[in-house]
Amino acid sequence: QQPVQSPQAVILREGEDAVINCSSSKALYSVHWYRQKHGEAPVFLMILLKGGEQKGHDKISASFNEKKQQSSLYLTASQLSYSGTYFCGTESPSAGKSTFGDGTTLTVKP
Amino acid sequence: DTGVSQDPRHKITKRGQNVTFRCDPISEHNRLYWYRQTLGQGPEFLTYFQNEAQLEKSRLLSDRFSAERPKGSFSTLEIQRTEQGDSAMYLCASSWDSRRDEQYFGPGTRLTVT
Repeated sequence: QQPVQSPQAVILREGEDAVINCSSSKALYSVHWYRQKHGEAPVFLMILLKGGEQKGHDKISASFNEKKQQSSLYLTASQLSYSGTYFCGTESPSAGKSTFGDGTTLTVKP
Repeated sequence: DTGVSQDPRHKITKRGQNVTFRCDPISEHNRLYWYRQTLGQGPEFLTYFQNEAQLEKSRLLSDRFSAERPKGSFSTLEIQRTEQGDSAMYLCASSWDSRRDEQYFGPGTRLTVT
């Protein structure tokens, strides 16, 4: 089943912070975060694994609550380049495939 | 090596025709994924390979779709008897060796079925 992302869209001014949430109804092995700009391929941001391991972008942080099957992506001091659509992809313990949410569109204005 | 490449970038075809897309992953990557994406939606999983073995295929994928990865290098995705509902962006992604590794996406092939 597809994870649910919230909010669907957010508009920020440069320098403001944002949180994007990803929630699953199933137990998770991992959560991946990607950013996609219009007309481009998704670009990897973060991966968070069951057990606490994570790797990814230096300037972006994320959390993974395994018990609640939720993840949040934290964007601090946003820059114009942060604009785009953010997708979370989740993997269950038994499957090797990623199931993506429908995305959160972030617009950062000067 | 500059990343994942896909060919063609755009394909327009008439309903009922067959189409084939190619994906060349990053050379050291053992895993290869195919996704389909429509406007306003996230990538939808189609299938994935570990080397040349196809390990999982979406139940959403009808018998008209087939994918191969001979010799564990490039992959092809074929759609037979295309339908208008097949119009979408088809994305390929690759990763190193396990599900613990991030995926690198190619630029996609945009298919339009008229």
